[in-house]
Amino acid sequence: GQQVMQIPQYQHVQEGEDFTTYCNSSTTLSNIQWYKQRPGGHPVFLIQLVKSGEVKKQKRLTFQFGEAKKNSSLHIIATQTTDVGTYFCAGQGGKLIFGQGTELSVKP
Amino acid sequence: DTGVSQDPRHKITKRGQNVTFRCDPISEHNRLYWYRQTLGQGPEFLTYFQNEAQLEKSRLLSDRFSAERPKGSFSTLEIQRTEQGDSAMYLCASSLSLREQYFGPGTRLTVT
Repeated sequence: GQQVMQIPQYQHVQEGEDFTTYCNSSTTLSNIQWYKQRPGGHPVFLIQLVKSGEVKKQKRLTFQFGEAKKNSSLHIIATQTTDVGTYFCAGQGGKLIFGQGTELSVKP
Repeated sequence: DTGVSQDPRHKITKRGQNVTFRCDPISEHNRLYWYRQTLGQGPEFLTYFQNEAQLEKSRLLSDRFSAERPKGSFSTLEIQRTEQGDSAMYLCASSLSLREQYFGPGTRLTVT
């Protein structure tokens, strides 16, 4: 069945450093969505990418969708303590299949 | 507040008992999803509805699990003869077709 893999599983950074998480699907996706889950919270939608090669920015966050629509990345520049949480990618081919997430911790 | 509500927020039950959870989606959303999440893992898809029709059910889901969405509005997820391995957070989400999903706060199930 369809699988979505995400790396790294954990990332510890000093405040102000950059952060990147990568997502790979075993199959071509119709779209990919990114969610953030704060400790003790539920996933909250960040963005959806639909087109091959698409790049979208939200303030310090940059999201990319690969040309083959099988991989994606999230890059955060100059991390802040408010960025702490687990970032999930989710591939859509009918239903959403979530990756296992990248847990980001930021040391002030 | 995302507008998706779940009840109860916490449930402690003894092994072998049946439990039922309720999800109230955002009113105009036609799709409703159930997920299970354990510590350190992403949400695991269980099943989803479009309006009142259950369109897909995970092959990982045993026949002890059943879900309904009788009028295309709220949904219930029932687990019969609970086992300790069922302990997890059960998340409900809703969406308008294939657009972004809005998650509820979840029901944390503990099976003792």
